[in-house]
Amino acid sequence: DAKTTQPPSMDCAEGRAANLPCNHSTISGNEYVYWYRQIHSQGPQYIIHGLKNNETNEMASLIITEDRKSSTLILPHATLRDTAVYYCIVRVGDDYKLSFGAGTTVTVRA
Amino acid sequence: ETGVTQTPRHLVMGMTNKKSLKCEQHLGHNAMYWYKQSAKKPLELMFVYSLEERVENNSVPSRFSPECPNSSHLFLHLHTLQPEDSALYLCASSLNSGANVLTFGAGSRLTVL
Repeated sequence: DAKTTQPPSMDCAEGRAANLPCNHSTISGNEYVYWYRQIHSQGPQYIIHGLKNNETNEMASLIITEDRKSSTLILPHATLRDTAVYYCIVRVGDDYKLSFGAGTTVTVRA
Repeated sequence: ETGVTQTPRHLVMGMTNKKSLKCEQHLGHNAMYWYKQSAKKPLELMFVYSLEERVENNSVPSRFSPECPNSSHLFLHLHTLQPEDSALYLCASSLNSGANVLTFGAGSRLTVL
């Protein structure tokens, strides 16, 4: 699987949009970009995934650059409950091995 | 509640004890997973079951013994553990072993004395 690079931490203000970057410059054509998050002492939670096109669901939006070498997860209106570690993962669609890195620790401040 | 239930949520055991962790899902998923998360470390995949058959054993010591009696239940049997095995053990399930999305349980926090 392609490796990902994420900033170790970031702060954002409650009510503002949080933009979480992820670099995956060695991504191959059949690898998807997935985002999960893990709130302290809980299991990871799936957020969103995409291949080429931008995606949006009730939790977040995923913006993938045209060359697919990087992506941004957008939390449109961050709340205190969005404080968590956010993981960006790339993997082939039918590969069950989901490899988690260190992620980005996001702290939402009032 | 995610649909994947893990019990117990907390477990303290001595190195000579035998205990088991239980995971249950009623999501209609056919694949189940055990992950280990030690302090300050990324999640590590331990075992994968697809339709009750083990498809992955990620070089896990034999003191951890998984069991998948049916597609809804997964156990992790623990015996003669070491203090360094203290960690959060996470169970997950997916529609099948090639599915995109994993649903995780809340985890079982294990402390080995």
